[in-house]
Amino acid sequence: DTGVSQDPRHKITKRGQNVTFRCDPISEHNRLYWYRQTLGQGPEFLTYFQNEAQLEKSRLLSDRFSAERPKGSFSTLEIQRTEQGDSAMYLCASSLARGLAGVSYNEQFFGPGTRLTVL
Amino acid sequence: SQQGEEDPQALSIQEGENATMNCSYKTSINNLQWYRQNSGRGLVHLILIRSNEREKHSGRLRVTLDTSKKSSSLLITASRAADTASYFCATDPYYTGANSKLTFGKGITLSVRP
Repeated sequence: DTGVSQDPRHKITKRGQNVTFRCDPISEHNRLYWYRQTLGQGPEFLTYFQNEAQLEKSRLLSDRFSAERPKGSFSTLEIQRTEQGDSAMYLCASSLARGLAGVSYNEQFFGPGTRLTVL
Repeated sequence: SQQGEEDPQALSIQEGENATMNCSYKTSINNLQWYRQNSGRGLVHLILIRSNEREKHSGRLRVTLDTSKKSSSLLITASRAADTASYFCATDPYYTGANSKLTFGKGITLSVRP
């Protein structure tokens, strides 16, 4: 299977603990995105990378959240000192950025998500 | 904040009928994409329509885009029980220079009765 994979699929943790999620994008894709989705809502953008550079972070991404993509391949999202409000589905997506005259066609492919429950 | 707003919020139809879902958005876009999500799972990309396109087809799917009205519609013809899912529109905003993030609506829950 050459799609986007995420690990773990489910994580239950106690408030105050740190958690780390991993995302492996489609191999030839140079962009990687993290989104968060809560029940009954659409995904909300958290951050994205082009290769290893983190180019944008949402205001939703508090200081307790950090994301890395050290070699421009897989990415990790760490949440420190988890809170109950962090409970959500964390989705990773990847795309191949290409552009003509400054316009980028940004078809994103999503992984299955990591469902985080903070008790 | 979520830019896209889908309409209706929920739709229930009989197998074999067509399902039409609408999406409105607020800012200029490069493209608009529709995704499907089965309960508690990841999103599946259905179709992308560019800002200079007006209509696009993919199998039983037909998407239209009206940039003057900032709206799009997704038509699923001859629906099947397996089409039961949540459907999201997502806009890729137009920036000069780097752009990337998709802005999703809250989604439409489609139920197809066998």
